Formats: sequence, structure tokens, C-alpha cells
Amino acid sequence: RKEVEQDPGPFNVPEGATVAFNCTYSNSASQSFFWYRQDCRKEPKLLMSVYSSGNEDGRFTAQLNRASQYISLLIRDSKLSDSATYLCVVNAISGGGADGLTFGKGTHLIIQP
Amino acid sequence: GAGVSQSPSNKVTEKGKDVELRCDPISGHTALYWYRQSLGQGLEFLIYFQGNSAPDKSGLPSDRFSAERTGGSVSTLTIQRTQQEDSAVYLCASSPQVVAGGETQYFGPGTRLLVL
Repeated sequence: RKEVEQDPGPFNVPEGATVAFNCTYSNSASQSFFWYRQDCRKEPKLLMSVYSSGNEDGRFTAQLNRASQYISLLIRDSKLSDSATYLCVVNAISGGGADGLTFGKGTHLIIQP
Repeated sequence: GAGVSQSPSNKVTEKGKDVELRCDPISGHTALYWYRQSLGQGLEFLIYFQGNSAPDKSGLPSDRFSAERTGGSVSTLTIQRTQQEDSAVYLCASSPQVVAGGETQYFGPGTRLLVL
């Protein structure tokens, strides 16, 4: 079983719509969760951290469900500029050090005019 | 301020040659990470440094891969006797420190390696 799994998409969504996607992780000891965004041929950039209580940043809402071991990202009022690949990132603590984040392969989102 | 920089941005080499990739982290960042991203794939963790030491090297794909960091700053990733399957984008990231809770990583633009 892969450590971090995402639906690769692509998700084709009209501008202005709301879109949500999930990510599941296998390591129940995982402590830190993030969503990164990666534009085509660019490096990943942090979109937002995911906190246990859920958190919101403008049009973006992230949720964590530890019992079911998944995190979600909701984008409201989607913009053309939201088109990108969204990477789910999980940090499984091992030996007390952050020996590497585990990245999902990403969900490709295309916002259509 | 200056972000993470990597060089070269692109590298084309012949199978069997050695290559050296360089990463300049953000000034003051003690943690440095190397990842590999193959076409259409997710990021594969290779190695991280806390200062000059690398606590975990198990992510390196084979003994042809090595990395070092000196002076707590610049890091080099060396691939010896390159193979075609080494072709990928090699990404470097840095963060202020390695903490148990995880820390935001800032990525460089990557080095696109093509092994012919």
C-alpha cells in the first residue's frame, strides 16, 4: 500500500465552482500534514499546513480526519489561476527527526473558463 | 530575499558519466533536503541534512548516489556512472530547522537531468 495516495485527476472544473479532493495516508503515526501546490515545470510551494481542527485560508479549507487517515482540500470560487497540481504531504516522525516528508503524486486541477 | 538556488538548471549527460548537482539553501536554514521527481511521478525523498550531518541516507536509490554538505550551507548531490533511469528533476529544499512537528520547506527550481 502506498504511503500517501491521491486521485491523480485531472479534475476539470468550471471557473467559480467549488472543488474538493482528498488524500489518504497509511502511517497512523503521521504528525504533520501539508498541501503544496506545483505549477507545471515549477517547484512545489507550500499552500497551507493542515491542523487537527481544520483550517481556512481565504478560499481554501483544509481538513484532517485522523480516524480515517485522510486529509482534504476544498477550494471555493475557483479561479483560473488555481490550475495546478496539488500535492498532499505527510510527515511521519521516525527517530525524532523529520527524515523526509512523504509526498503524494498529486492531483491535477484544471479550471476552465 | 534570496530563495533556494540550484545549479545547473539543466544537465544533459551521457550514460556512465558522473554528475554533480549543487544546492544553495536560504541563508540561515539549517535543514536541507534532496528530492527526485521523475516525469509524472511524485517527489521521492533522497536525503536530508541537519547542519552538515545526514541522519538518514536510506532514501538514496543506490550507492552511486552520494551527497555532502559543508559549512552548514551549500550541498552537492553526486551521481556516479549515471544511468538513463536517473533522468529526473532533482529538487532541493531548505527549512529553518528540523523539528519533530515538521517545518515548511522552501524549494529550489530544480535541476533537470537527462541521461542519454
